[in-house]
Amino acid sequence: QSVLTQPPSASGTPGQRVTISCSGSSSNIGSNYVYWYQQLPGTAPKLLISRNNQRPSGVPDRFSGSKSGTSASLAISGLRSEDEADYYCAAWDDRLSNLLFGGGTKVTVL
Amino acid sequence: EVQLLESGGGLVQPGGSLRLSCAASGFTFSSYAMSWVRQAPGKGLEWVSVIHGNGGTTYYTDSVKGRFTISRDNSKNTLYLRLNSLTAEDTAVYYCAKEQRGIDYWGQGTLVTVSS
Repeated sequence: QSVLTQPPSASGTPGQRVTISCSGSSSNIGSNYVYWYQQLPGTAPKLLISRNNQRPSGVPDRFSGSKSGTSASLAISGLRSEDEADYYCAAWDDRLSNLLFGGGTKVTVL
Repeated sequence: EVQLLESGGGLVQPGGSLRLSCAASGFTFSSYAMSWVRQAPGKGLEWVSVIHGNGGTTYYTDSVKGRFTISRDNSKNTLYLRLNSLTAEDTAVYYCAKEQRGIDYWGQGTLVTVSS
């Protein structure tokens, strides 16, 4: 069981906005940056959001991240079919000295 | 362009050993911490280990402590992971990744299958 908690699935129709939550604790999300990764089927993960809300070059502005206290969220606006993928949050945990991943959220475009 | 190329995966019997390698290019290798992350078939991502740029500090997830050893050769821009006492639960794609607290680049992964 992952220490960072994500919903297992989320869905929406093309053009809709989908939000994925990531819940942690004071030793991880509460005191460190949150990162988000997108994993398309059969491929390696790709960095989507760094340092809570920063988009790397090449990531569409449809993707946005936020953090408040011990929780974070990823929002996908203007949902597109190519957004169908697994999404993972991650944060370093100061107590465990481990990098923690959420269990992953599978996004389906209906 | 950052490139991470893993090798060394394969089929190994329970109790066996394997050494994974990751050849890095496109950045100053010795300046960055490097991590290994694995993904069992059909499962989520699991962080395995990290090593700091100078090789002096390492961390491991509890399930691999005492069995896996991370190391690096900065003269060869190469990261390693030695896997010992392997069990079926270690079957996964192993990804080499750049950085510690926030991974920014990933390799394509190498598959390790533990089976008799």
